Amino acid sequence: SQQGEEDPQALSIQEGENATMNCSYKTSINNLQWYRQNSGRGLVHLILIRSNEREKHSGRLRVTLDTSKKSSSLLITASRAADTASYFCAAPNFGNEKLTFGTGTRLTIIP
Amino acid sequence: DTEVTQTPKHLVMGMTNKKSLKCEQHMGHRAMYWYKQKAKKPPELMFVYSYEKLSINESVPSRFSPECPNSSLLNLHLHALQPEDSALYLCASSTSGTLLRTDTQYFGPGTRLTVL
Repeated sequence: SQQGEEDPQALSIQEGENATMNCSYKTSINNLQWYRQNSGRGLVHLILIRSNEREKHSGRLRVTLDTSKKSSSLLITASRAADTASYFCAAPNFGNEKLTFGTGTRLTIIP
Repeated sequence: DTEVTQTPKHLVMGMTNKKSLKCEQHMGHRAMYWYKQKAKKPPELMFVYSYEKLSINESVPSRFSPECPNSSLLNLHLHALQPEDSALYLCASSTSGTLLRTDTQYFGPGTRLTVL
């Protein structure tokens, strides 16, 4: 299994601060994806980074990928109350359509 | 239309009931997925349909029966469920069903299932 392990499991920060969450995975990947899930709802795709990329930006999101360490990080800058959610990394298994999710980080933004 | 819809939003059923969950997308996606998610856990893949054919069954008990009537619809038929099957059931779709092409998945809002 390529399931990612994410840390921290939970993170609480003040509004306006930056939030960083990390994902480690076990085997080679060709891309890694980050998803957000608001409480009890479906997941929303945030950003995809390919294995030949080291950093990618989308709005207030910054994702890094270190394939030598098999790790990725998601940085949310200038956090807002609406960023309160669970964040999952996910990577596809080679050879099939399976997307395996990490354990997730529950982010709480304190107004 | 970039939406995946799921019905019903909530479902309560007894262990002897038969019910169905429905999922629909009109994005022309050719892969559709069922996931089960327990509280504070990541989604767990149950089934994958690629081009309307079942391509992955993650050893799901036979009391869960998927069906893909056409490329836009995905059903999950439920029969003789157990209380431990209570969970959020998520449907998703992706363009081609070939993740090597770096497809992303679009998720529906889920069906909250409670088995009494």
